Amino acid sequence: EPEVTQTPSHQVTQMGQEVILRCVPISNHLYFYWYRQILGQKVEFLVSFYNNEISEKSEIFDDQFSVERPDGSNFTLKIRSTKLEDSAMYFCARTGREVPDTQYFGPGTRLTVL
Amino acid sequence: QQQVKQSPQSLIVQKGGIPIINCAYENTAFDYFPWYQQFPGKGPALLIAIRPDVSEKKEGRFTISFNKSAKQFSLHIMDSQPGDSATYFCAASKAEETSGSRLTFGEGTQLTVNP
Repeated sequence: EPEVTQTPSHQVTQMGQEVILRCVPISNHLYFYWYRQILGQKVEFLVSFYNNEISEKSEIFDDQFSVERPDGSNFTLKIRSTKLEDSAMYFCARTGREVPDTQYFGPGTRLTVL
Repeated sequence: QQQVKQSPQSLIVQKGGIPIINCAYENTAFDYFPWYQQFPGKGPALLIAIRPDVSEKKEGRFTISFNKSAKQFSLHIMDSQPGDSATYFCAASKAEETSGSRLTFGEGTQLTVNP
């Protein structure tokens, strides 16, 4: 199945700035997810998005984070007032209608907070 | 109870060897167990997955063994090649119709296959 596309591939920002990470899924995908991977560590779930609403979020996903699908296509993760510890790879994932629990990951966005 | 424990942390084998990576879970509600392969700087790529109604699944050189009573599952790579050198993650999830299926990942195993 086709993968998702993520932009940018690398984002460098200053601490305290806002960043928006984008995921471009195929239109018939049903569920979307954001995960985070700090360098050298495991992949951690942030949030799932179903039917244009947040369906589940982890304890990591606090008020600093938000997700939306503003134009019905792109799926965005916004991080307000970034911190040094937000530096990580951020992955978008999606599942298809046929097999709802099989998740396919995008290539990721490397976020570096200075 | 949501944790998935993975071992070993790293593994070195010779070409042709059979590396085995093990995972254990606690949450008996999990009903889907995938393995992902990740190369440096890339996203996790789905390798193979199993559901608890079978004890073994094989796809090419990759085999998952699943022990429901012990709450353990493992990945075996037959005839390993240097190109298999990567980080392998096990994961587990419970599908929910209205929320999808958040994956809980293990800590990862860095596999090196020497020529």
